Amino acid sequence: SQKIEQNSEALNIQEGKTATLTCNYTNYSPAYLQWYRQDPGRGPVFLLLIRENEKEKRKERLKVTFDTTLKQSLFHITASQPADSATYLCALDMTGGYQKVTFGTGTKLQVIP
Amino acid sequence: GAVVSQHPSWVICKSGTSVKIECRSLDFQATTMFWYRQFPKQSLMLMATSNEGSKATYEQGVEKDKFLINHASLTLSTLTVTSAHPEDSSFYICSARDPKGTGNTIYFGEGSWLTVV
Repeated sequence: SQKIEQNSEALNIQEGKTATLTCNYTNYSPAYLQWYRQDPGRGPVFLLLIRENEKEKRKERLKVTFDTTLKQSLFHITASQPADSATYLCALDMTGGYQKVTFGTGTKLQVIP
Repeated sequence: GAVVSQHPSWVICKSGTSVKIECRSLDFQATTMFWYRQFPKQSLMLMATSNEGSKATYEQGVEKDKFLINHASLTLSTLTVTSAHPEDSSFYICSARDPKGTGNTIYFGEGSWLTVV
């Protein structure tokens, strides 16, 4: 069966450290993988998109890697800040025949001052 | 950047009545919009994919007669919860795909809280 799993229900990290979130998937062949941030009671906000032929993508303090062999994406936040505390969702986009985006379970990140 | 607007942000309705939620793409034309439902502390559950000018594609287990979706224009999709019941109370979120650029960036609305009493 198809599954998208994100690491642990919650991740606590000290301010200033690098937070690393994991997204693993099975039985999918995504063309794109996306990361979103969601704050409580709000809609998700798009952060980064990485294509299947890209290994790494960066945006300011954010870095995403995509390993289609391992079927895994890693999402890094460097120099983490309390304001980074939120739930982070990975999403697989099978565009190229399919239109829909499927979301993982999300990882709640808490950055401790 | 691209913005997707959802209205209303929250609504309370009586059991048995119908409620309409609107989703608008404000600065781009969205050929495809998506409707999600989210329960507390859970991920987004895709309900249906809405394509402009055609019938929505519903996910398995989602009643199309209960959750009516209309995508009448390139900037507007609506979700109508018909004969609402307390178990329909949830956070409903829409999203729209921006066809410009990579054509694969999806923007979300702020969500709509529905409470059925």
